[in-house]
Amino acid sequence: GNSVTQMEGPVTLSEEAFLTINCTYTATGYPSLFWYVQYPGEGLQLLLKATKADDKGSNKGFEATYRKETTSFHLEKGSVQVSDSAVYFCALSTGANSKLTFGKGITLSVRP
Amino acid sequence: GAGVSQSPSNKVTEKGKDVELRCDPISGHTALYWYRQSLGQGLEFLIYFQGNSAPDKSGLPSDRFSAERTGGSVSTLTIQRTQQEDSAVYLCASSLAGQYTDTQYFGPGTRLTVL
Repeated sequence: GNSVTQMEGPVTLSEEAFLTINCTYTATGYPSLFWYVQYPGEGLQLLLKATKADDKGSNKGFEATYRKETTSFHLEKGSVQVSDSAVYFCALSTGANSKLTFGKGITLSVRP
Repeated sequence: GAGVSQSPSNKVTEKGKDVELRCDPISGHTALYWYRQSLGQGLEFLIYFQGNSAPDKSGLPSDRFSAERTGGSVSTLTIQRTQQEDSAVYLCASSLAGQYTDTQYFGPGTRLTVL
């Protein structure tokens, strides 16, 4: 079956620090990969996605590259802001029924 | 246009009662999904509707859970004889065509508390 593994959290960083959140996956078939974000008091929203190997998704300064050889989709940002404080979920979808399989999520706190 | 809407936003019920949760997807989206978010289990898939096809119910945790989608639009998730372990946030999402490359857009969720 499909599964997504995210690094353990929570993560606390100072403003302007570099961020990496690791995500690896196992999938039957060829998945699409997603990062979703949940800001405090808000709903789940797409941050970025990649649908084929070597694609790079990017949004709001965040980037992630679909690495088929390492089955990974790590999220990076060069300089985090306090407003990036949120819960981040890595997820995948395959052709079978297109449902999303999520990782456990990681809480990021950025202090001024 | 409007996003995915869900109602009610909060529901408190007593153990053993039935509840109905409603989802209104983005207009024109043919695919609709229900997920559940709980502290112990994270985000779990429940059920998937695509057009006029039979729904994929593979994620429903028990036969107390059922869902329907009327007219290819609004969906209702029903939980019968609620138990305390059903307490969670129930999320609805829709996508344009149900392809695995499509973005799923989520509603704000219904927080269900079973006393």
